Amino acid sequence: EVQLVESGGGLVQPGGSLRLSCAASGFTFSSHWMSWVRQAPGKGLEWLANIKQDGSEKHYVDSVKGRFTISRDNAKNSLYLQMNSLRVEDTAVYYCARDAGYCSGGSCYDRWGQGTLVTVSS
Amino acid sequence: EIVMTQSPATLSVSPGERVTLSCRASQSVRSNLAWYQQKPGQAPRLLIYDASTRATGIPARFSGSGSGTEFTLTISSLQSEDFAVYYCQQYNNWPLWTFGQGTKVEIK
Repeated sequence: EVQLVESGGGLVQPGGSLRLSCAASGFTFSSHWMSWVRQAPGKGLEWLANIKQDGSEKHYVDSVKGRFTISRDNAKNSLYLQMNSLRVEDTAVYYCARDAGYCSGGSCYDRWGQGTLVTVSS
Repeated sequence: EIVMTQSPATLSVSPGERVTLSCRASQSVRSNLAWYQQKPGQAPRLLIYDASTRATGIPARFSGSGSGTEFTLTISSLQSEDFAVYYCQQYNNWPLWTFGQGTKVEIK
């Protein structure tokens, strides 16, 4: 069974840092692009970043560029999101998501983790 | 950035009714559009990709149509388990994917 399990969320002060992890199982992790998507309380979905199968290519939405870093360790079947200079508006549930690999023009997501809540507050 | 606009924001529907949700892109995304369903406290679930292809395990009552800038998700006969929020997502504008703000389908 395909599983994605996020961890690392919590309460952090503005300006602080947090590292999220996503443990993957039940599929060949190294064969898929992976992404992070977040959802602020009561709001919609926001795509944040993605990373190529071998980690050689990464992309970010402007709102997190320079503050967040996506990475992966294929030997550990794990995806990471290092978040620095956190702001109140970064408060959200953070999901890792697997690129299905079959959406013609780009990335759609066929598996999602349960999410981990990040709260940025003083 | 391609802006995805969904309408209506909320739809009040009775079980068994036919439901049509709309998604509009600020510029053409060709057929590079997906639909997701999200229930409270759960992660999104992929329903439709490439505008009209049902994902694995998705019931036939869900169908998608459209291309370019106008897209529709139709639920032919709403079941109790279909009350949820529905999101569209474009994946044409590499590598910056964007979601619509969602349409909530609630019980009338």
